[in-house]
Amino acid sequence: DTAVSQTPKYLVTQMGNDKSIKCEQNLGHDTMYWYKQDSKKFLKIMFSYNNKELIINETVPNRFSPKSPDKAHLNLHINSLELGDSAVYFCASSQDLGRTEAFFGQGTRLTVV
Amino acid sequence: RKEVEQDPGPFNVPEGATVAFNCTYSNSASQSFFWYRQDCRKEPKLLMSVYSSGNEDGRFTAQLNRASQYISLLIRDSKLSDSATYLCVVNIVTGGFKTIFGAGTRLFVKA
Repeated sequence: DTAVSQTPKYLVTQMGNDKSIKCEQNLGHDTMYWYKQDSKKFLKIMFSYNNKELIINETVPNRFSPKSPDKAHLNLHINSLELGDSAVYFCASSQDLGRTEAFFGQGTRLTVV
Repeated sequence: RKEVEQDPGPFNVPEGATVAFNCTYSNSASQSFFWYRQDCRKEPKLLMSVYSSGNEDGRFTAQLNRASQYISLLIRDSKLSDSATYLCVVNIVTGGFKTIFGAGTRLFVKA
């Protein structure tokens, strides 16, 4: 059973489109995250949710909107996609906020053309 | 100065070698520390947590030096399968919360 699963694994889309990435964790964790890893391989946190509440929103364009329907899910919706949005997006979860290790999904490779 | 800094490498070592990575952090409110491993085109996976007293897991040893604000990872008897990028991770919990990933150190182990 995959602990943190995200779909789709690959996403190729045109500029200006709106797309969503889904994430689910079956670990019973309270905290979920979205990370972006760009072409330079630098991993940066975008959002953090704890018990369905937004805790962290780093400097991310408001075209990115996370939604957490319940503790086990954190989806990422992106409006008006731009070329610079091309990256690998990782979902992750952890038992609590800031003290324990995070478990990552396999990543979604987004390519905007 | 970056909040978490690592030597990007790459480190090219022969099988059986011992290799050490350092990672420095700038925020003294950093509370928990980890080493993650990321293989090419895969997700990061936890290698080990880093405890104040230092800890060992098989061929891997992690150390934390709070006074100098750095953590280290030592890999003994390197295997080909150790080739990966090693990410230093620092959690800062002070009022709010922040997780900072280092940019990673690339390791290539060659036969």
